[in-house]
Amino acid sequence: LAKTTQPISMDSYEGQEVNITCSHNNIATNDYITWYQQFPSQGPRFIIQGYKTKVTNEVASLFIPADRKSSTLSLPRVSLSDTAVYYCLVGGPSGAGSYQLTFGKGTKLSVIP
Amino acid sequence: GAVVSQHPSRVICKSGTSVKIECRSLDFQATTMFWYRQFPKQSLMLMATSNEGSKATYEQGVEKDKFLINHASLTLSTLTVTSAHPEDSSFYICSAVSGQGALNTEAFFGQGTRLTVV
Repeated sequence: LAKTTQPISMDSYEGQEVNITCSHNNIATNDYITWYQQFPSQGPRFIIQGYKTKVTNEVASLFIPADRKSSTLSLPRVSLSDTAVYYCLVGGPSGAGSYQLTFGKGTKLSVIP
Repeated sequence: GAVVSQHPSRVICKSGTSVKIECRSLDFQATTMFWYRQFPKQSLMLMATSNEGSKATYEQGVEKDKFLINHASLTLSTLTVTSAHPEDSSFYICSAVSGQGALNTEAFFGQGTRLTVV
């Protein structure tokens, strides 16, 4: 399984853009990169997923360089409600119809008024 | 997006009793379901992976006889914590994956179950 490394924590002021980078040096060819958000005592919530280059949706952008050994989640103009733990996951089918998905330690984002 | 329902959201049980947690995919067929455990201020730790109709694959250090997983259908998986003890108190989360064989398969998570063993 591809191991992921993220900063343990980040602080940001409201209204700023936040970029969280994740390293995944041994990502496999079939692996996709997915980011989840988790609030206390809740299950993780899907934010965005990508394979390469750039992906954008209504809440975030995901930048993936050509070598795919890292990825950056970009949250535009964060608000206090974006305070949460953000997880970068790398995974995909592992053969015989199964699917591998393992969480790293995540990045605790604190948004300051 | 797809919905995964986990029940109960919170349970308190006496030491030595068993607790069953249900995980249902409401609007899709889940070929694979995962069970995680999360202690306070820590990340999710994968306990086991189950594919419908086959035995679950447990992660190292997770007792399969204590944490019984049944994935009898494509929409339901259950985790039974047998003979629970206070150290089993934790937040248990399930997730389900659809799109068998698809590379961009997305995992959907349940709301989690807070288990407290007294």
